[in-house]
Amino acid sequence: DTGVSQNPRHKITKRGQNVTFRCDPISEHNRLYWYRQTLGQGPEFLTYFQNEAQLEKSRLLSDRFSAERPKGSFSTLEIQRTEQGDSAMYLCASSLTIISRRDSYNEAFFGQGTRLTVV
Amino acid sequence: AQKVTQAQTEISVVEKEDVTLDCVYETRDTTYYLFWYKQPPSGELVFLIRRNSFDEQNEISGRYSWNFQKSTSSFNFTITASQVVDSAVYFCALQEVDRDDKIIFGKGTRLHILP
Repeated sequence: DTGVSQNPRHKITKRGQNVTFRCDPISEHNRLYWYRQTLGQGPEFLTYFQNEAQLEKSRLLSDRFSAERPKGSFSTLEIQRTEQGDSAMYLCASSLTIISRRDSYNEAFFGQGTRLTVV
Repeated sequence: AQKVTQAQTEISVVEKEDVTLDCVYETRDTTYYLFWYKQPPSGELVFLIRRNSFDEQNEISGRYSWNFQKSTSSFNFTITASQVVDSAVYFCALQEVDRDDKIIFGKGTRLHILP
C-alpha cells in the first residue's frame, strides 16, 4: 500500500460543468476526510466518513457538492455546475480509528490532492 | 471553537540563518494534538511532527525543533541553519480528540530561504 491516492491530480474544466474526484484511502482505514485548500490558505475541512457513513459536512459544502463512500473504501467528491470560486486543491485524508478513547491517537495521512481549475 | 493562528504570512531569511515560525492555537478541549506540516511547491502535505497535549517536552529532530508552551497556547517551530530546500509553506494544525478527529489548519507561513 503506497498511501492515500487521489485522481486526477489536475483537472481543468469550464464553468458550469460537473467534475468528480476520486480518493483511495489506505487499506482498512475506516475514516476518510475531504479538505479544500484555496490559494494562500490552509486546508479547510469539508466532510468526513466513518466507513460508508457521512458523519459531518462543513457549511463550506454547498448543495452543488456531494461526497460518497459507497462501500466504505474509496470515496468520490462531485461538484455540479462548477463555478470559478471552486478552483482549489482538494485534499483527501484517511485514518484508522480503532477506539475513540481520549488518549488514543488516529493519525491522518494525506493524499497529494487534486488541483481543480475552473475557467 | 478551535482555531489556529499563524501570524507570519511570509518570511525570508538568508541560507544558514535560524528561523522560527510561530503558531498560537485555541481549544476548549484538554486532550488534543498539534501538528506541523510542510507543503513544498509540488503541493503535497508532508507531516513533520505531532504533539500530544499532555506532553510539553520540546522536541528536536536534526535541524528542526519545536517548542510547545501550554501556558501561552503556542507551538513554535524553529529551523536551525536553514537551507534552500526548506523553502515551502508550513502549516500548524490542531486536532481535538472528539468523535470527528478533524484537523484544523492555520493559514500557513510561506518561508523563503535565500541562497
